Amino acid sequence: AQSVTQLDSHVSVSEGTPVLLRCNYSSSYSPSLFWYVQHPNKGLQLLLKYTSAATLVKGINGFEAEFKKSETSFHLTKPSAHMSDAAEYFCVVSGAGYNKLIFGAGTRLAVHP
Amino acid sequence: IAGITQAPTSQILAAGRRMTLRCTQDMRHNAMYWYRQDLGLGLRLIHYSNTAGTTGKGEVPDGYSVSRANTDDFPLTLASAVPSQTSVYFCASSVSTSGLNEQFFGPGTRLTVL
Repeated sequence: AQSVTQLDSHVSVSEGTPVLLRCNYSSSYSPSLFWYVQHPNKGLQLLLKYTSAATLVKGINGFEAEFKKSETSFHLTKPSAHMSDAAEYFCVVSGAGYNKLIFGAGTRLAVHP
Repeated sequence: IAGITQAPTSQILAAGRRMTLRCTQDMRHNAMYWYRQDLGLGLRLIHYSNTAGTTGKGEVPDGYSVSRANTDDFPLTLASAVPSQTSVYFCASSVSTSGLNEQFFGPGTRLTVL
């Protein structure tokens, strides 16, 4: 079975400092992994996805994530946070069979001036 | 229309009432999905459809039904609403049900059942 654990429910950073949102996954086969972002009162938008190609995946708005099979991790990073990055971030693994997405509980990112 | 639209944006509903949440996509995607989002639980799949004319149950299907009469529309019906169905509901679509495909999400419907 597939599962996702986001290790932090809340992360707070200062504008201009690095962002690290942690995600561990469990999968019985090679997974597809995604990061989605949700701004307040909005739908979800795809940031990036890993589908067994390059292990370092670059996404939109300067975000990137590295797939580490040995650590079963897919952490999201950004070198310098911007105020507009404040949102909720979901790590997602693709499950077996139909295109079933299994969502983590989410990490709320706050960015302070 | 561009992408996925959902209606209504929000709704307050008395327990026991019937309610249909509407979802329309204009991307000609084969697969469509309904999720509910609850605090601390992320998104959970209610029902899905691989293609027009077929539907399937997700993780939390009880109390909900769906239909897929055509490619574009995927309504979600609560036959007799209960307070535990208070949630934010998201419709999504993807090109196909391959696990490689990105899902595109609508803006959501905030439903309150009293």
